[in-house]
Amino acid sequence: GAVVSQHPSWVICKSGTSVKIECRSLDFQATTMFWYRQFPKQSLMLMATSNEGSKATYEQGVEKDKFLINHASLTLSTLTVTSAHPEDSSFYICSAEREDSYEQYFGPGTRLTVT
Amino acid sequence: GIQVEQSPPDLILQEGANSTLRCNFSDSVNNLQWFHQNPWGQLINLFYIPSGTKQNGRLSATTVATERYSLLYISSSQTTDSGVYFCAVGDTNQAGTALIFGKGTTLSVSS
Repeated sequence: GAVVSQHPSWVICKSGTSVKIECRSLDFQATTMFWYRQFPKQSLMLMATSNEGSKATYEQGVEKDKFLINHASLTLSTLTVTSAHPEDSSFYICSAEREDSYEQYFGPGTRLTVT
Repeated sequence: GIQVEQSPPDLILQEGANSTLRCNFSDSVNNLQWFHQNPWGQLINLFYIPSGTKQNGRLSATTVATERYSLLYISSSQTTDSGVYFCAVGDTNQAGTALIFGKGTTLSVSS
């Protein structure tokens, strides 16, 4: 149990286009999901906290108009990178918190390359 | 905010050796998790251990919350243990608390 999926696993897009990444909890409900970003050989940095049915909470320095988050149901959160630029190229990872504990489970990540 | 420090940053072992990874944190925590990130980037849950001791096969972990540290033990290491090990903490006892990650320990096990 406690499986989190992400789609797509990798994507290449042109500068100026938008990309949507989906994060799903497959076998449990998650009121709260989180989005992280990881640059090569670095740790995970929290971007935002996604709450079902309400607005996301963004970390300082993360542009909310650029990284749109929607948590439409208890099993799905989406991250849309709008007007992507090469500096947005990174590994994006989501996590979901089980409703019955504080333990978090992570998706396999999405590798975004903006050309 | 809370600071998380992991040591050592890098560790090279021969297959069969034992190792201890350490995680220090600067304030009280209510959530502490250990992860193994495989070469494809997937974070694999090893332990959810805000306090106490747990064991799972060749791996075990101990968190001494009052002294603000956690240890991950790997015994009889195998090449498949290679990768980055992260410690991450949450500093409140409320749902929806994000994890703060340490910088990780990169483990390389050779045969």
